[in-house]
Amino acid sequence: AQTVTQSQPEMSVQEAETVTLSCTYDTSENNYYLFWYKQPPSRQMILVIRQEAYKQQNATENRFSVNFQKAAKSFSLKISDSQLGDTAMYFCAFMKHGYDMRFGAGTRLTVKP
Amino acid sequence: NAGVTQTPKFQVLKTGQSMTLQCAQDMNHNSMYWYRQDPGMGLRLIYYSASEGTTDKGEVPNGYNVSRLNKREFSLRLESAAPSQTSVYFCASSGVTGNQETQYFGPGTRLLVL
Repeated sequence: AQTVTQSQPEMSVQEAETVTLSCTYDTSENNYYLFWYKQPPSRQMILVIRQEAYKQQNATENRFSVNFQKAAKSFSLKISDSQLGDTAMYFCAFMKHGYDMRFGAGTRLTVKP
Repeated sequence: NAGVTQTPKFQVLKTGQSMTLQCAQDMNHNSMYWYRQDPGMGLRLIYYSASEGTTDKGEVPNGYNVSRLNKREFSLRLESAAPSQTSVYFCASSGVTGNQETQYFGPGTRLLVL
């Protein structure tokens, strides 16, 4: 079974600075997808960014980018120019082809003014 | 465009009672999912439906049943609620965005079993 580990239960960053959230996963699959979801206090799950394992290029979405290291099974999220609205729980998720998505336990990020 | 909707938003049950959580999506997605989220944990898959007419167990299916009523609707039933089923329940649906599967989530149902 695939497992996803987020080793940082909580993190904080000053507004406008950069922060990196860590995620590692365990799988024997070669083709799969990786995701970062944001969950603000409203509890809505919001997709932040996604990565296909067969793509070597790291995904970027505006201020959000990932560092995907397939051999190391690592998928970290970098948030640049942090904003107060980035305060939320962030979940890393893994999905192989099919429908079984596995989530990490989450990292609570607080952006301080 | 509502996306994924869930009802109710909040429910209190007594042990042994039954209830059905409703989910609907208007994105014409083939696949739908039910997850539960407990404190300190990520979401865990209860059941999923790859397409209309099919359902399969996920990671934590015990104590639940599902029905894929049609392409839009996917319900989750607790036949005899237990305190261990106190959780926040999320429904999701997926289609293909470009070349990728992406799941879109509803707002969640908070369930308290006394």
